[in-house]
Amino acid sequence: DQQVKQNSPSLSVQEGRISILNCDYTNSMFDYFLWYKKYPAEGPTFLISISSIKDKNEDGRFTVFLNKSAKHLSLHIVPSQPGDSAVYFCAATANSGYALNFGKGTSLLVTP
Amino acid sequence: EAGVAQSPRYKIIEKRQSVAFWCNPISGHATLYWYQQILGQGPKLLIQFQNNGVVDDSQLPKDRFSAERLKGVDSTLKIQPAKLEDSAVYLCASSPPTSYPRRQGEHTGELFFGEGSRLTVL
Repeated sequence: DQQVKQNSPSLSVQEGRISILNCDYTNSMFDYFLWYKKYPAEGPTFLISISSIKDKNEDGRFTVFLNKSAKHLSLHIVPSQPGDSAVYFCAATANSGYALNFGKGTSLLVTP
Repeated sequence: EAGVAQSPRYKIIEKRQSVAFWCNPISGHATLYWYQQILGQGPKLLIQFQNNGVVDDSQLPKDRFSAERLKGVDSTLKIQPAKLEDSAVYLCASSPPTSYPRRQGEHTGELFFGEGSRLTVL
């Protein structure tokens, strides 16, 4: 069963606008969340993360918001750039482990 | 700093044949993971090693998949015999956790992924 869900397979945004990627999870034991970015023929690369003790984490153009009561997190990219076009994976980890549970990914296309 | 190295990058085999993938993690990284990513899906954990011991292999199909990490460095993932549904990208990742098990909400440290080995089973 999919414990991390990304319900939007794809998203298209104009350059300069905000991109919002959403992620839902079902396992209440998840306490650390990460976003990974993946270009074709490359492995995923870490983008940004958030601990369950916070509700927001910001790094440059990227901000992740966590709503624990709704079991929902989102990644905001402002402003979006063509180089941001990639597949974004939401991931979570539980308890004392380090292994990540991934969603199916959202393919972001930023058009000029 | 050298990244996670994987080989081969691509492999095409027929069903019932065997295949092996190799991974060399980032130097000093104690934890090594093998993930399977089927087209259109997110990566799924197959096995996790801490040094040369297995931490989690609950999702490894042990009737056909095996993995080892001798001497706590390099790792090999083997599939024998392969099935059509094994067609996927096999991703190796490593991470340097500083404490195990980690504390609730503690920063996990990111996983560093290799470029993956793409397997096609015909």
